Amino acid sequence: NAGVMQNPRHLVRRRGQEARLRCSPMKGHSHVYWYRQLPEEGLKFMVYLQKENIIDESGMPKERFSAEFPKEGPSILRIQQVVRGDSAAYFCASSPTIGQGSNFNEQFFGPGTRLTVL
Amino acid sequence: SQQGEEDPQALSIQEGENATMNCSYKTSINNLQWYRQNSGRGLVHLILIRSNEREKHSGRLRVTLDTSKKSSSLLITASRAADTASYFCATDSGGYNDMRFGAGTRLTVKP
Repeated sequence: NAGVMQNPRHLVRRRGQEARLRCSPMKGHSHVYWYRQLPEEGLKFMVYLQKENIIDESGMPKERFSAEFPKEGPSILRIQQVVRGDSAAYFCASSPTIGQGSNFNEQFFGPGTRLTVL
Repeated sequence: SQQGEEDPQALSIQEGENATMNCSYKTSINNLQWYRQNSGRGLVHLILIRSNEREKHSGRLRVTLDTSKKSSSLLITASRAADTASYFCATDSGGYNDMRFGAGTRLTVKP
């Protein structure tokens, strides 16, 4: 069973460009979470999605950031008009469909995408 | 401020020794989890301990939870060079969006 997959692993963008980060959850997982990790800091929650729905985006900056999880295909975190402060590692996690005995907070993380904004 | 705060920030030991890392938090929790992160890699879930549990074991890992002191410890016994990584604790209050991570402890195990 493949784990959570993220691509690209490294992404370099110039200020003002767009960054698109992709996350494929584990097979059978319908919940996706995005986190941002700044250097020397812990992870910060950004957004929680289920298929075709944004459940909670309270951790997302109000501008330039958006996320989707379409019916088919990976979840996408999109950052428009990137600035140097967007440089960070972005992690995606997935958890199983909520059901008896499952713990949606037991999240499985991908390898992350390191975004560098020049 | 961050909910989970690990200490020490960095720990260096010899292979074969035990490593103990601590995590403190501020508010009531539902679960506390420990994750490992190898350099340049994603987080790996190690162990989850619920608020009504006091101790949990998994292989060479032993986690304790003291809710009265709002603290947890992760003990890795008989450490190996491959245990070299950053270790994070994360707490949640039962909500899907309220996992809080600390800045982690960097463990170095020298062969």
